[in-house]
Amino acid sequence: DAGVTQSPTHLIKTRGQHVTLRCSPISGHKSVSWYQQVLGQGPQFIFQYYEKEERGRGNFPDRFSARQFPNYSSELNVNALLLGDSALYLCASSPRTGNYGYTFGSGTRLTVV
Amino acid sequence: GESVGLHLPTLSVQEGDNSIINCAYSNSASDYFIWYKQESGKGPQFIIDIRSNMDKRQGQRVTVLLNKTVKHLSLQIAATQPGDSAVYFCAETDAGNMLTFGGGTRLMVKP
Repeated sequence: DAGVTQSPTHLIKTRGQHVTLRCSPISGHKSVSWYQQVLGQGPQFIFQYYEKEERGRGNFPDRFSARQFPNYSSELNVNALLLGDSALYLCASSPRTGNYGYTFGSGTRLTVV
Repeated sequence: GESVGLHLPTLSVQEGDNSIINCAYSNSASDYFIWYKQESGKGPQFIIDIRSNMDKRQGQRVTVLLNKTVKHLSLQIAATQPGDSAVYFCAETDAGNMLTFGGGTRLMVKP
């Protein structure tokens, strides 16, 4: 069985640009969460989606947005990129909200120059 | 691969010794705790978990201890192997809707 898959694995963007990151959860998992991991730190919660609805949001600016599709895959969008947005963006899926069975993908490494 | 934690506290142990990694958590309402292992270029990998109604749980070569009185969590790895070298994070959650991660500890195993 495929695990959580994220794409792309790496990308480089220029300040002010927009980026879209994609995540496909484990088959049967209906909840997707996004985390940002800056080098040298633990992951920080950005969003959780379940059944296409936002169920939680972390302390991130409105430049960050996300959505979940009917097939439970998800996109994370970041507008007006800043140098400080450079990080590893992780997606985690779980069968449902309030369920503790999180599985993480390998992440997308975003570098903003 | 690139490092996930250039400035993390480091625990260096000899192969075959036992390792103990500690973590302090902040939310008294947290009811579920997880230890993750993260290798360079990869996402966090589940190691072991424990619910707040327990104080100890054992897996294969790993044990997690929970002290709710002082909000402390520890991960014990028996007979540490070179493949255990990685960054280890504890995470806490209440109601399972978001994980709050600790700062991480780098474990280095000397052959």
